Amino acid sequence: DVKVTQSSRYLVKRTGEKVFLECVQDMDHENMFWYRQDPGLGLRLIYFSYDVKMKEKGDIPEGYSVSREKKERFSLILESASTNQTSMYLCASSPPGSPLHFGNGTRLTVT
Amino acid sequence: GEDVEQSLFLSVREGDSSVINCTYTDSSSTYLYWYKQEPGAGLQLLTYIFSNMDMKQDQRLTVLLNKKDKHLSLRIADTQTGDSAIYFCAERPYSSASKIIFGSGTRLSIRP
Repeated sequence: DVKVTQSSRYLVKRTGEKVFLECVQDMDHENMFWYRQDPGLGLRLIYFSYDVKMKEKGDIPEGYSVSREKKERFSLILESASTNQTSMYLCASSPPGSPLHFGNGTRLTVT
Repeated sequence: GEDVEQSLFLSVREGDSSVINCTYTDSSSTYLYWYKQEPGAGLQLLTYIFSNMDMKQDQRLTVLLNKKDKHLSLRIADTQTGDSAIYFCAERPYSSASKIIFGSGTRLSIRP
């Protein structure tokens, strides 16, 4: 079974802090994704990566950056956290053209 | 543009069938997916259908695709309390091998 692991289930950070959300997958998938999930808005794509060191902006990249130095790890970075970034963050991975496999999510609260 | 729409809530009686509906705008979609999210968890792939199919059945789940109307539905037969979850419809546009567009999710609640 594919395992996508997000390092934290819950995080509480202060406004202005730099925040790192980590995601690791164990199936050698080329593609990795970061989504945020908000009530009534569903999942919105922040960034995705189709190979090491490659990244593409999704629908809502503002205020975020990503890093993919190794194939199995995809990090989401909030350079200066703001309260409107309080959300559930979901990481996913997949081979090209295949369904996504999701981690359990990180619920981030920015105060 | 690409958009996927679902109603936000559905309530059914235990033992009845649940039908969750979804509409999408991209006529070039290759695959359409149904994901399930239980409380506190990530999304789990339930089933998917290729765009040249009309129907797919898998045990209690039936997926119907009306490509002309761009309408996808998920029917859950004999709905149980364990089916309580948020169900997301999603599409993969032909234009993108990687990007998947998700709907807002339908919260299914079960009445005794």
